[in-house]
Amino acid sequence: EDKVVQSPLSLVVHEGDTVTLNCSYEVTNFRSLLWYKQEKKAPTFLFMLTSSGIEKKSGRLSSILDKKELFSILNITATQTGDSAIYLCAVRTGGFKTIFGAGTRLFVKA
Amino acid sequence: NAGVMQNPRHLVRRRGQEARLRCSPMKGHSHVYWYRQLPEEGLKFMVYLQKENIIDESGMPKERFSAEFPKEGPSILRIQQVVRGDSAAYFCASSPPVGSGESTDTQYFGPGTRLTVL
Repeated sequence: EDKVVQSPLSLVVHEGDTVTLNCSYEVTNFRSLLWYKQEKKAPTFLFMLTSSGIEKKSGRLSSILDKKELFSILNITATQTGDSAIYLCAVRTGGFKTIFGAGTRLFVKA
Repeated sequence: NAGVMQNPRHLVRRRGQEARLRCSPMKGHSHVYWYRQLPEEGLKFMVYLQKENIIDESGMPKERFSAEFPKEGPSILRIQQVVRGDSAAYFCASSPPVGSGESTDTQYFGPGTRLTVL
């Protein structure tokens, strides 16, 4: 069965810390991996990764994919309280299905 | 450009009633996904549709649930004879078409409909 596993499930850090969120997957027909940020409402798109070893970067956030080891990481540097959210990892398969992990709940303390 | 719109935002139904959830994709998007999110759980894929066509419904429960995306109007997720276990947040997402310059894998989510079954 296709699955996406995220770790840790929750994380509490102080402002200014750097965090690394993990996502591992087992799917039969990998197409792409996506990261989303979910606050109190709809998930908002962060990154889409399709190729191994190519870092995607947006401000203080960056992400990379390893297709050989079947995982991705999302890094957030110099965290701020506004980064507090649930971070979702999802894998899109060749058959249109998108499988989401349970998410990592990040709380950044002031 | 309005984002993905869903209505109602909150819906309360009694057991045995029907629930109809609506989703209007972003302008120019012709593909829609429906997901269910139970409390403290991740998003579970339900169905993927394009206009007048169900592409993948492998995540839909076999009974009571149906989805459509007509040529005109919003996509509708219909739940017949609701039970307490159907209480969840239902999210809709849309994706850009081929040739738009953006990956068709990118999904833009609506605000969700929170269904409560009494």
